[in-house]
Amino acid sequence: ETGVTQSPTHLIKTRGQQVTLRCSSQSGHNTVSWYQQALGQGPQFIFQYYREEENGRGNFPPRFSGLQFPNYSSELNVNALELDDSALYLCASSWGPSGGNEQFFGPGTRLTVL
Amino acid sequence: DQQVKQNSPSLSVQEGRISILNCDYTNSMFDYFLWYKKYPAEGPTFLISISSIKDKNEDGRFTVFLNKSAKHLSLHIVPSQPGDSAVYFCAASEGYGNKLVFGAGTILRVKS
Repeated sequence: ETGVTQSPTHLIKTRGQQVTLRCSSQSGHNTVSWYQQALGQGPQFIFQYYREEENGRGNFPPRFSGLQFPNYSSELNVNALELDDSALYLCASSWGPSGGNEQFFGPGTRLTVL
Repeated sequence: DQQVKQNSPSLSVQEGRISILNCDYTNSMFDYFLWYKKYPAEGPTFLISISSIKDKNEDGRFTVFLNKSAKHLSLHIVPSQPGDSAVYFCAASEGYGNKLVFGAGTILRVKS
């Protein structure tokens, strides 16, 4: 059974640029959630995708967008990067609304915006 | 608006003793609670959970207690081991399979 994987591990961008982060869900999971973890804080929910549809969104602006693919892998896109977007971005997969509440996290992508 | 609060940024415990990590929440609609452990350079790892219909759940050395009237939960680790040293996050959700709301975490150090 393959766990949740994320790429890249680290990324450095400059203000105004755009970035795409990728996540492969754990085998058999159909739901992917994205979280942003700023330094010294807990993860904050960005959005969730269930069977390729957005299924809930946190308090993040529209320049944060996502996709889920038929194989349940997912992308997080952030446009017009700001300095405050510097954080650890975590992807978590789960069985979905009817399958369990435990979310299994990947190692994260560390994004630095200069 | 912090709906989930972990008021102790850090905790230091002697090996073999009990570690008690606390968590408070304000949203009475939360009905599912989880604890995650996080090592540096890794994602959070699920530890144990409890639904609001229970007041205790046990899994090996880990026990979670839920006091709904006080909107408080705690994680007990007995006995504590050096490998338990990590950041512990409390999380909550409304309904099954929905977004998790996390606390800021508590750094646990178990001294040998």
